[in-house]
Amino acid sequence: AQSVTQPDIHITVSEGASLELRCNYSYGATPYLFWYVQSPGQGLQLLLKYFSGDTLVQGIKGFEAEFKRSQSSFNLRKPSVHWSDAAEYFCAVGRKSGNEKLTFGTGTRLTIIP
Amino acid sequence: EAGVVQSPRYKIIEKKQPVAFWCNPISGHNTLYWYLQNLGQGPELLIRYENEEAVDDSQLPKDRFSAERLKGVDSTLKIQPAELGDSAVYLCASSLVRDSGLFFGEGSRLTVL
Repeated sequence: AQSVTQPDIHITVSEGASLELRCNYSYGATPYLFWYVQSPGQGLQLLLKYFSGDTLVQGIKGFEAEFKRSQSSFNLRKPSVHWSDAAEYFCAVGRKSGNEKLTFGTGTRLTIIP
Repeated sequence: EAGVVQSPRYKIIEKKQPVAFWCNPISGHNTLYWYLQNLGQGPELLIRYENEEAVDDSQLPKDRFSAERLKGVDSTLKIQPAELGDSAVYLCASSLVRDSGLFFGEGSRLTVL
């Protein structure tokens, strides 16, 4: 069965500092990987996705993520965070065969301090 | 382009009462999902539709939950009767084709008293 682990429940970062959110997945084949962001009281917004090809993927709002097969990881990064980045971030894994069940991690809550 | 629309946004009911949530997916999206999100958790799939057909409902508690997607567009998720443990956010999502990712609505927050 597929699973996702986000080891950091809560991260606090100063505005302007760099950010890395960790995601490890367990999956028996080549996965589809996603990062979503959820602001309070809102739905989930897709930040970026990895299906194949270049292992470094660029997303919206200046985010990027790197797929490392050897480490079963798909960490999210941003070189300089803004106060508006404060939100909950979810990593998800899906099967490469298409629109099927996505399994989400438990999320990482990001707090930005001035 | 309008996104996924859900209603109501908030619902408070007493236990044992019925409740229904409605979802209108993005126009043309043939796949529709209902996810359950408990507080502090990631979303968990309840049911997935391909057009009118429920192709994955293995996680749907069928004793009290039901869903339908008539005409392959809008969908309704119903709970009858509601229990205290059903308090959560019910998220609807849709997608067009494989590789596109899921697009989520803002969710319906249910509180059962």
